[in-house]
Amino acid sequence: DTAVSQTPKYLVTQMGNDKSIKCEQNLGHDTMYWYKQDSKKFLKIMFSYNNKELIINETVPNRFSPKSPDKAHLNLHINSLELGDSAVYFCASSQLPAGGDTQYFGPGTRLTVL
Amino acid sequence: DQQVKQNSPSLSVQEGRISILNCDYTNSMFDYFLWYKKYPAEGPTFLISISSIKDKNEDGRFTVFLNKSAKHLSLHIVPSQPGDSAVYFCAAKNTGTASKLTFGTGTRLQVTL
Repeated sequence: DTAVSQTPKYLVTQMGNDKSIKCEQNLGHDTMYWYKQDSKKFLKIMFSYNNKELIINETVPNRFSPKSPDKAHLNLHINSLELGDSAVYFCASSQLPAGGDTQYFGPGTRLTVL
Repeated sequence: DQQVKQNSPSLSVQEGRISILNCDYTNSMFDYFLWYKKYPAEGPTFLISISSIKDKNEDGRFTVFLNKSAKHLSLHIVPSQPGDSAVYFCAAKNTGTASKLTFGTGTRLQVTL
C-alpha cells in the first residue's frame, strides 16, 4: 500500500490557469508538508500542517494556498500559474511536528507551466 | 543562503567498494541530520539519521558520521551495490522548532560493475 500518494503525477497547463494537487497519507501521521524542487534541484519547504493547522508557512506567493480537510489530506491549490511555478512538488508526512521525526515523501507531481 | 551544502554533484564508485558522500552545514542550530535516497520519478526515501548528541550511527551497510565542530557529516556505504545508484540528499533540522527540513542539492551516486 502506498504510504503517501499524490495526484496527478504530471500536470501540464497554461499560464494564468488555476490548478490543484492532492496529497493523501495512510500512515496515521499528524503532520503533513509541501516541498518544491526547482530546476536547480533545491528541495524547499513551502508549508506544513499539524492536525489541520498551519504551522509552517515559508515565503511563498499567496497564489499558493494549502488546504487540509482532515489530517490525512493536504491539498495544494495554485492560482494564476506562472512559468516560474514549473517544478516538482512533493508532499510529505511525519508523526510529530517537531523533534527527531522522520518525514516520508510522496512520489512527486511534476508541474509544467507553458 | 544555502545552509546545507553537498559540494560533489556526482560520484562514481565500483561495486564492492566504499562510497563516501559528504555534506556541510552552516546553521549551528541544526541538531538532527538525515540522509534521503532518491530514484528518478520517485520521492525521497529516508535512509538513516543522526542526532547531534552522537557522532556515528550505523544501519547495515550505511553509516553516518557527524563532526559537529567542523559542521560536517558523511554517509558511508560499504560495500556499494549497483542498486545504490541514486541521488542522495543530506537534510538537517532544528528539533526545537516546527519540523522544517533543510536539504542539500544532492549527490548523484553511480555504482559501476
